[in-house]
Amino acid sequence: KNQVEQSPQSLIILEGKNCTLQCNYTVSPFSNLRWYKQDTGRGPVSLTIMTFSENTKSNGRYTATLDADTKQSSLHITASQLSDSASYICVVSFRNQAGTALIFGKGTTLSVSS
Amino acid sequence: DGGITQSPKYLFRKEGQNVTLSCEQNLNHDAMYWYRQDPGQGLRLIYYSQIVNDFQKGDIAEGYSVSREKKESFPLTVTSAQKNPTAFYLCASSKSVPSYEQYFGPGTRLTVT
Repeated sequence: KNQVEQSPQSLIILEGKNCTLQCNYTVSPFSNLRWYKQDTGRGPVSLTIMTFSENTKSNGRYTATLDADTKQSSLHITASQLSDSASYICVVSFRNQAGTALIFGKGTTLSVSS
Repeated sequence: DGGITQSPKYLFRKEGQNVTLSCEQNLNHDAMYWYRQDPGQGLRLIYYSQIVNDFQKGDIAEGYSVSREKKESFPLTVTSAQKNPTAFYLCASSKSVPSYEQYFGPGTRLTVT
C-alpha cells in the first residue's frame, strides 16, 4: 500500500535552534518528493521538489534530503525563526494507470518559541 | 498564494443545503484539483480536472460535484449527500499532470450545522 509517514507529529523548539523533520514512504513507482509549508488557515506553499536522482536541495534555511534506496527524506531547518511555526507536509508523487498521483503525509506541526 | 483565489474564506451553511465553493486561477494551468483537509489527516483528493470540460473523481468524491467550463475556473459543490461536510477545502492547480508542482489557493473553511 502506498503510504507516506511523517515524524514527529509535532515539535517545539526555541528560536534560533535547528531541527529535522522526517518523511518515510512506501510509494512505488516513485516520481518525485515535495515538501510544503502550511501556515495555519492558509494553503500549502512549496519548499522543494526532488526527483529520484537528487540527494539534496536547499531553499534558504530549508534543506531537504532524499535517500531513494531507503525511501526516506528529511527537511532540515537551520536557525529557526518564529515565522517557521507551521505544518510541514511531505508529498510523494507516483505513477499509476491514470497517469500520476500524489500521496500526502499528515504533516509535522512545528512551533518555534522565543 | 500563486495566482489562485478561493472564495469565500469562511462559509457557514445549514445541514441539507448545497453550497458551492469558488476557485479561480490566472496561471494558465491546465490541471486543477480540489482537496479536503481534516485535523490530523493528510490532504485527500476530491476531484481533479486535467482539461476543460473533463474531470475525474478522486479518493473521496461522494457527496461532491464539480464543473470545468472554463480553464480558469473549477467550482466545487458540496451537496446535502456529503455526510461530514465541515472541513477546510483547498483548491490547487498545476501546469498539467500532478507530477508538476501544484500551487494551492488560500482555502475555504466550511462549517455546516
